[in-house]
Amino acid sequence: NAGVTQTPKFRILKIGQSMTLQCTQDMNHNYMYWYRQDPGMGLKLIYYSVGAGITDKGEVPNGYNVSRSTTEDFPLRLELAAPSQTSVYFCASSYETGTQETQYFGPGTRLLVL
Amino acid sequence: GQNIDQPTEMTATEGAIVQINCTYQTSGFNGLFWYQQHAGEAPTFLSYNVLDGLEEKGRFSSFLSRSKGYSYLLLKELQMKDSASYLCAVKQGFQKLVFGTGTRLLVSP
Repeated sequence: NAGVTQTPKFRILKIGQSMTLQCTQDMNHNYMYWYRQDPGMGLKLIYYSVGAGITDKGEVPNGYNVSRSTTEDFPLRLELAAPSQTSVYFCASSYETGTQETQYFGPGTRLLVL
Repeated sequence: GQNIDQPTEMTATEGAIVQINCTYQTSGFNGLFWYQQHAGEAPTFLSYNVLDGLEEKGRFSSFLSRSKGYSYLLLKELQMKDSASYLCAVKQGFQKLVFGTGTRLLVSP
């Protein structure tokens, strides 16, 4: 299994440009998440999904959109990039069985908006 | 609202034991995660507690007291490679995770 993969690894955007951050998992997990992590800070949840066709907002959803058309893919869309969106973006997936839950993170996408 | 507190930084010596505390005030508590994150890398899952008590996994153990809003991560036989940030995260409701800002642990020889 490749686990959780993210592309691109690094991207520079100009203010106002748009882009899609890709995330794919091959573990058949129902739950997927997008986080952002600013330097020296913890992770903040942007959006999450509990299954194909179902998404919901997290703590900081403004400026982002998501879709979940398949179990495997959970892309994150930035429509009008702003300097405040400069961050590291992590995608994660998880499964839950009773009292056990395990989350797996992708390697991250570093985004710089100038 | 939600509030998760961890110490910002801790130092310890190789071979020692260190306890990293996490206190939380949150509605709809549904479990607590601990993650390890090396600089420039993705977080790695360490533990998940949803019931009170101690969960042990090799050199790492995690404890939860829901009535006190308190958890700790215990690292034994510290190694240099354990130098990293340790993130506490609370699951609210069904799937929302709220993270603390993390504790930077520095292990010295």
